[in-house]
Amino acid sequence: KNEVEQSPQNLTAQEGEFITINCSYSVGISALHWLQQHPGGGIVSLFMLSSGKKKHGRLIATINIQEKHSSLHITASHPRDSAVYICAVRRQGAQKLVFGQGTRLTINP
Amino acid sequence: GAGVSQSPSNKVTEKGKDVELRCDPISGHTALYWYRQSLGQGLEFLIYFQGNSAPDKSGLPSDRFSAERTGGSVSTLTIQRTQQEDSAVYLCASSFFLIGYEQYFGPGTRLTVT
Repeated sequence: KNEVEQSPQNLTAQEGEFITINCSYSVGISALHWLQQHPGGGIVSLFMLSSGKKKHGRLIATINIQEKHSSLHITASHPRDSAVYICAVRRQGAQKLVFGQGTRLTINP
Repeated sequence: GAGVSQSPSNKVTEKGKDVELRCDPISGHTALYWYRQSLGQGLEFLIYFQGNSAPDKSGLPSDRFSAERTGGSVSTLTIQRTQQEDSAVYLCASSFFLIGYEQYFGPGTRLTVT
């Protein structure tokens, strides 16, 4: 079993819908990252969080340390949000990131 | 300022040849990371540097892979005697420090071994 599991693997929605992508992990962590990878391949860091909730524009990330679970929400989704969203965790006492398999999001106009 | 840059952007090489991939981190970033993304696969960690030293090389898949960093800046990932399974996108990222700072990713080098 992977240390980091994301769901769903693929998600297709209509423009304007509220999107939720989930990430569960099985190890103690010091931080969790949400990354966005567009079809061209470039990766952008969206959030880094270790507790609570962060918001940036239409994106919201939450984490529940006790339940070892994080969610990424997108409000008022738009076709330009179409990308692969990747959850990654930094284990306690380690430096490297361990990645989930990613969630491919497609927003149709 | 400039982001993380990588060169070349694409590299096609014959099986058995050596290749060098270069990463220029953001100026002032002390931590540098190499990752690999094989076709249809997720990202996997290869190695990270703090300054010029590499405390964790555990992700390097074989002794054909090596990396160095000089002057606390540019890093080179070298793959010797390339194999077809080495075909992947190799990504570099840098951060201001190891802990508590976001990583900024380069555009990657797409390596194809024929």
